[in-house]
Amino acid sequence: DTAVSQTPKYLVTQMGNDKSIKCEQNLGHDTMYWYKQDSKKFLKIMFSYNNKELIINETVPNRFSPKSPDKAHLNLHINSLELGDSAVYFCASSQKITGGMNTEAFFGQGTRLTVV
Amino acid sequence: KQEVTQIPAALSVPEGENLVLNCSFTDSAIYNLQWFRQDPGKGLTSLLLIQSSQREQTSGRLNASLDKSSGRSTLYIAASQPGDSATYLCAVRPGDSNYQLIWGAGTKLIIKP
Repeated sequence: DTAVSQTPKYLVTQMGNDKSIKCEQNLGHDTMYWYKQDSKKFLKIMFSYNNKELIINETVPNRFSPKSPDKAHLNLHINSLELGDSAVYFCASSQKITGGMNTEAFFGQGTRLTVV
Repeated sequence: KQEVTQIPAALSVPEGENLVLNCSFTDSAIYNLQWFRQDPGKGLTSLLLIQSSQREQTSGRLNASLDKSSGRSTLYIAASQPGDSATYLCAVRPGDSNYQLIWGAGTKLIIKP
């Protein structure tokens, strides 16, 4: 059983297009994240949600819009794609526990986005 | 601002050797630290999680230690195998921003048969 699943795994698209990446977790977690891994393999947080509420919104262009229809899903929509958006995008989830801490984070397989 | 550094950036050793990967962080106020493995073109696999109150965690041939006061963690791999070849990443969950992980750049490990 896949714990955190992302679709699609690969996405090749032209500049200016709008695309979405879907993420679902079946771990019963209440916190979900989007991370971006650039060409140098460095991972950075983009967004985090807890119980469908946006908690962290890093300095990400407003062309990126996350949507969490329920606790198990966090989708990422990207408008007017640019060459610099090419990267691997990872979805993750964890559980907020008593005391406010978040537990071990589990990651999806990643979506490799190539903008041409 | 929390920063995470991993040294070395790359490491190549013969099969069977024991090895240590290093991770350092600048702010000791963390909730936990997690070690991950990333295979080329693949996702991130969680290896070990150490809570801030713990000193070490073990899983099979892997042992991770945490010295919060000095801002250091090590991942010890015993009796390395070619299948251990991957990039190893450490990430900390900062105390002032619980809803994210701060990542090191990773150590690319190659185990030669």
